[in-house]
Amino acid sequence: NAGVTQTPKFRVLKTGQSMTLLCAQDMNHEYMYWYRQDPGMGLRLIHYSVGEGTTAKGEVPDGYNVSRLKKQNFLLGLESAAPSQTSVYFCASSPWTSGAQEQFFGPGTRLTVL
Amino acid sequence: GNSVTQMEGPVTLSEEAFLTINCTYTATGYPSLFWYVQYPGEGLQLLLKATKADDKGSNKGFEATYRKETTSFHLEKGSVQVSDSAVYFCALSDRRTSYDKVIFGPGTSLSVIP
Repeated sequence: NAGVTQTPKFRVLKTGQSMTLLCAQDMNHEYMYWYRQDPGMGLRLIHYSVGEGTTAKGEVPDGYNVSRLKKQNFLLGLESAAPSQTSVYFCASSPWTSGAQEQFFGPGTRLTVL
Repeated sequence: GNSVTQMEGPVTLSEEAFLTINCTYTATGYPSLFWYVQYPGEGLQLLLKATKADDKGSNKGFEATYRKETTSFHLEKGSVQVSDSAVYFCALSDRRTSYDKVIFGPGTSLSVIP
């Protein structure tokens, strides 16, 4: 099993450009999450999904959109990137049987917005 | 609301020293508590967990005991190694109030020098 994978690993954008980050998991998990990690601020939840076709806002949703069209994939979109969105983005998944008990993380995407 | 507080880092220790990283929490329900570890350049991974008061979680020589009376979940290891250098996150999941989300602390960076 590959676990949780994220594409791409690195990306540099100019202000105003758009992009989509892809998260895929092969563990048949119901729950999926997008976090951002910034120095001194730990992990902050952007959006999450409790099942295929569902999404919900987290702590810092502004400027991001998500979609969960297939159970194994969770996409994070930036419609008009801003320098404040420079961060490391992590995707995670969790099985329904444990609620949000244990989360399995991807390796992260390092995004720089110039 | 629910929250997690951790001791500020960075923490620097010599190899074989004793490690304690303090963690306290605030929760309105009956949370499960976790320690996650993030090695350089990687995503987070679960280190240990405890689901009820007085439970002790342990893994890889690390231990933490769920103390309801002091709302604490301190991480300890008797003899650290260079390979333990990482960022450690305390976290909670409260089934009653936020079943589908995990609240992470800000993280504590540990460096172990030979």
